[in-house]
Amino acid sequence: DVKVTQSSRYLVKRTGEKVFLECVQDMDHENMFWYRQDPGLGLRLIYFSYDVKMKEKGDIPEGYSVSREKKERFSLILESASTNQTSMYLCASIGGRLTYEQYFGPGTRLTVT
Amino acid sequence: AQSVSQHNHHVILSEAASLELGCNYSYGGTVNLFWYVQYPGQHLQLLLKYFSGDPLVKGIKGFEAEFIKSKFSFNLRKPSVQWSDTAEYFCAVTNGAGSYQLTFGKGTKLSVIP
Repeated sequence: DVKVTQSSRYLVKRTGEKVFLECVQDMDHENMFWYRQDPGLGLRLIYFSYDVKMKEKGDIPEGYSVSREKKERFSLILESASTNQTSMYLCASIGGRLTYEQYFGPGTRLTVT
Repeated sequence: AQSVSQHNHHVILSEAASLELGCNYSYGGTVNLFWYVQYPGQHLQLLLKYFSGDPLVKGIKGFEAEFIKSKFSFNLRKPSVQWSDTAEYFCAVTNGAGSYQLTFGKGTKLSVIP
């Protein structure tokens, strides 16, 4: 069974802190994605990666960076957390070619105070 | 850039009522279309998908969707909803042929009253 895990379900950080959100998939998927989900705005793509050490900006990359050193792990980094980054963060991965179906993790609810 | 529009923000239905949730997208080329569902407290899961072939696709839990290319639409339907269908529903569309990127709509919250 497909499994995408995220390091924390809930996280509370202070403004200005550096925040790491981690995502791990156990399916040998090449493509991984980070979204944020906000009420009334749906899911918005922050960054994605189609291979180790490769990354592409999504629709809202400002204030975020990512790291993919191993195929199974994709990290989202908030260099200096701000209150407007309070949100639900979702990680997803896609399997082999032509499947297109994204498998989602449970999400990390981040609160920045 | 692809954009996806879901017409209703919040839909309230009684059990056994029929459901139709609208979804329209902007990109006119080859696309792949999805409906995802998020039950309260749970993660997003795939309800159904369309890649090619029969434009009427069936998904899990009695849901179906119809792809109408001329209208850029992919509406979700269910003939008779249950209380357990209370959830948020998201339409998503790929950004073109061969693209793995998805653009999501803003979601429709469905509340089913017993």
